Parts: sequence; structure tokens; C-alpha cells
Amino acid sequence: GNSVTQMEGPVTLSEEAFLTINCTYTATGYPSLFWYVQYPGEGLQLLLKATKADDKGSNKGFEATYRKETTSFHLEKGSVQVSDSAVYFCALFTGGFKTIFGAGTRLFVKA
Amino acid sequence: GAVVSQHPSWVICKSGTSVKIECRSLDFQATTMFWYRQFPKQSLMLMATSNEGSKATYEQGVEKDKFLINHASLTLSTLTVTSAHPEDSSFYICSARGGVVSGNGMDEQYFGPGTRLTVT
Repeated sequence: GNSVTQMEGPVTLSEEAFLTINCTYTATGYPSLFWYVQYPGEGLQLLLKATKADDKGSNKGFEATYRKETTSFHLEKGSVQVSDSAVYFCALFTGGFKTIFGAGTRLFVKA
Repeated sequence: GAVVSQHPSWVICKSGTSVKIECRSLDFQATTMFWYRQFPKQSLMLMATSNEGSKATYEQGVEKDKFLINHASLTLSTLTVTSAHPEDSSFYICSARGGVVSGNGMDEQYFGPGTRLTVT
């Protein structure tokens, strides 16, 4: 079946450090891939997406590339800020009703 | 982008009472709405999927009589937690899909800000 696997958190970084959060997926067909961010006490916000192989999604300095050969969609940011502290969810959608979410990775950024 | 709102954003109720949470798609018609539950520091758990004008489809383990879902129109779905108990305290998030098509032809899913329910 379809599934998403994310690296376990929490991830703790100092401000301006480089961020990578790994995400791999299993899916039939050609899924769309997403990263959502959840700030404390809030709902999910779409951070970026990619809808086909080799697409790169980017937003607010974050980026992720849809790698079909490795079934991955790793999230990266070159220089994190304290305000990036949140939980990040990788997700896929294959055109059925449901979006499949990863378990979430909590990021703490220290000043 | 498309906007989904929830009301209330937080609610405190006494054990045994019922609570209704509203979810609205503000600028698009939501053919499908989803209700999720999120426990502290955990991922989202899909509770049910509803299509406008039809009965909701509940995930395994979710009590239909406990969590009543009504998708009354293309812009409104409600979740009623009946006879709430402290173990129902959680963060409830709705999501809507329909009418906004992404690059590969798949419509996107948009999330509400969530409702924090505390049952005392």
C-alpha cells in the first residue's frame, strides 16, 4: 500500500545551520508529494509541493526535489531561523480520496 | 490559495455534553471533507471522509455514534462530539478538497487551523 516514512525527530539545530529532513515514500502510480508545516497550536499549512518526477518545490527558503528513482522527497533549507521551529509532515496523494501523511518531524532551532 | 476555516478555534466543555465544530471552505466548493484528530506530538489520524449530501465514511475504530459528521453543503461540514469525555480531548483538524486543480490534474487538499477541544 501507499506509505510515507520520515526521519524521526526531534531535530535540534542552531540558527543558520543547514537543515535536511528525510522523506521516502511507497506508492502505486504517480503521486503528488507535499511538505506541510505545523506551528505550535495551529493547523497544517502547505509548505511546498511537487507533482511529477524531478520537480523541485520551493517556498520560504525550503526546497525539496521529487526523486522517483530513490522514491524520496527530502526537505532542505540552507540557513534555518528560530521561527522555523515547528513540526514538518511529508505527505503523498495518489488521486484517491486520502492524503497519506508521515509521522512528522519536530524541528527545534536554537538562537 | 484556497481557505478553510474552523469554528471554534478552541472549546472547553463539561463531561457528558456535546460539542459541534464547524468547517467551512471559504472560496471554493468542497466536494470532499476530511476530519482528523491529532494527539499531542503525534501525526494526524484520519477519522472520517465525507462527501456533500451523503453519509460519512468512518475509519476503522472511530465510533460513528460518538463523532457525528454532517456535510450539509459544498462549503460546510460539521463534526459533533456527542457525550464528550476527557479522553475525547484533542486537536481536531478538518480538511477540504475540490475545485482547485494542481499541475498533474489532481485537486489539492486544504486544511483548517484546527479546533482544540478540552473536556473537563
